[in-house]
Amino acid sequence: DAGVIQSPRHEVTEMGQEVTLRCKPISGHNSLFWYRQTMMRGLELLIYFNNNVPIDDSGMPEDRFSAKMPNASFSTLKIQPSEPRDSAVYFCASSLLGGAPDTQYFGPGTRLTVL
Amino acid sequence: DQQVKQNSPSLSVQEGRISILNCDYTNSMFDYFLWYKKYPAEGPTFLISISSIKDKNEDGRFTVFLNKSAKHLSLHIVPSQPGDSAVYFCAANSGYALNFGKGTSLLVTP
Repeated sequence: DAGVIQSPRHEVTEMGQEVTLRCKPISGHNSLFWYRQTMMRGLELLIYFNNNVPIDDSGMPEDRFSAKMPNASFSTLKIQPSEPRDSAVYFCASSLLGGAPDTQYFGPGTRLTVL
Repeated sequence: DQQVKQNSPSLSVQEGRISILNCDYTNSMFDYFLWYKKYPAEGPTFLISISSIKDKNEDGRFTVFLNKSAKHLSLHIVPSQPGDSAVYFCAANSGYALNFGKGTSLLVTP
């Protein structure tokens, strides 16, 4: 299996621009997670999907952030408009079931820089 | 509020010796604990886990110990190898959510 695939790997954009991050989970996994990693806050959960349905989006920082999962093999995280404080590494992870003792498998991440 | 804490940001160990990485948590509802390993420019990869009903789990050179009364877990790597140099994240699971510590950067020197 190819593992979790994320694109792009690096994104540099200017403040105010729209940014779209993409994720392809492992085939057969029912749960998908978006995380953000910053120096200050570490790894924090942004949103959790189960069977393509958003279950918990309480970690999404504000309305500028939105996430979709139109089908079992694709998800997007969109930031509009982007701000310098959104600069971070964004990880997508998937798991078979979504609850313990399930293991989450992470993609390589997208490093976002907002100038 | 950080519910999982890794108080040592970095650790340096000689090759062949034991590496001990520590983790503390505050939420007694956590029922499953995991360690992830992360190399630069890669995503975290699962290493080892332990259920709250156990106090030890071993997998090759890696052993995780859980002390529920102290709300403390540790990861032991014996013997340490240069390829173990990475950032190690402790995570605690309650339901679907994984709560991560900020990581400990381990350097294993030859």
